[in-house]
Amino acid sequence: KAGVTQTPRYLIKTRGQQVTLSCSPISGHRSVSWYQQTPGQGLQFLFEYFSETQRNKGNFPGRFSGRQFSNSRSEMNVSTLELGDSALYLCASSLGGSASGANVLTFGAGSRLTVL
Amino acid sequence: QKEVEQNSGPLSVPEGAIASLNCTYSDRGSQSFFWYRQYSGKSPELIMFIYSNGDKEDGRFTAQLNKASQYVSLLIRDSQPSDSATYLCAVNLHAGGTSYGKLTFGQGTILTVHP
Repeated sequence: KAGVTQTPRYLIKTRGQQVTLSCSPISGHRSVSWYQQTPGQGLQFLFEYFSETQRNKGNFPGRFSGRQFSNSRSEMNVSTLELGDSALYLCASSLGGSASGANVLTFGAGSRLTVL
Repeated sequence: QKEVEQNSGPLSVPEGAIASLNCTYSDRGSQSFFWYRQYSGKSPELIMFIYSNGDKEDGRFTAQLNKASQYVSLLIRDSQPSDSATYLCAVNLHAGGTSYGKLTFGQGTILTVHP
């Protein structure tokens, strides 16, 4: 069973540019969550999508956005990049229902973004 | 007060010893508790999750939950050098609509197991 796949794995951008990251969840998982990980702030929740709807959102500026497609694949976009956006962006998928264990997150390998 | 706090590290134990990792959380309504392991340069991988008070064992790992004390711990028995990693405690702080996909993570405890 394939895991969570994130692309690209590494990317370098300059301030002011925008970036789109992609995530393919585990087959059968309908919920996709995005996290930002930095040495100073640790892992922070960005947002969660389920059945193409954003159900939950963290405390990030509007420059951070996402979407989910009908096949549960998800993308996140960061516009007008700032130096502080340099981080590891992690996608995680889960079943997303209400059954026991449905909220267990499996993480992808991450996309490491460097903003110069 | 941070929402999820882990015991400060780094923690160093000899091979074969028991490593004890601790975590406290602020929201008494929290329902789900997770331990993840993260090797340097890698993404977090789930060790185990626990929902009910008491102990949950999986091989060399035991998670302990005490909701009254708002405390969750992870014990690693017979520690191996391959257990050396950062251990992250994560809590699903609220039940219901505001919790979807959102885990609040502690800052992590670095564990080193030396031969």
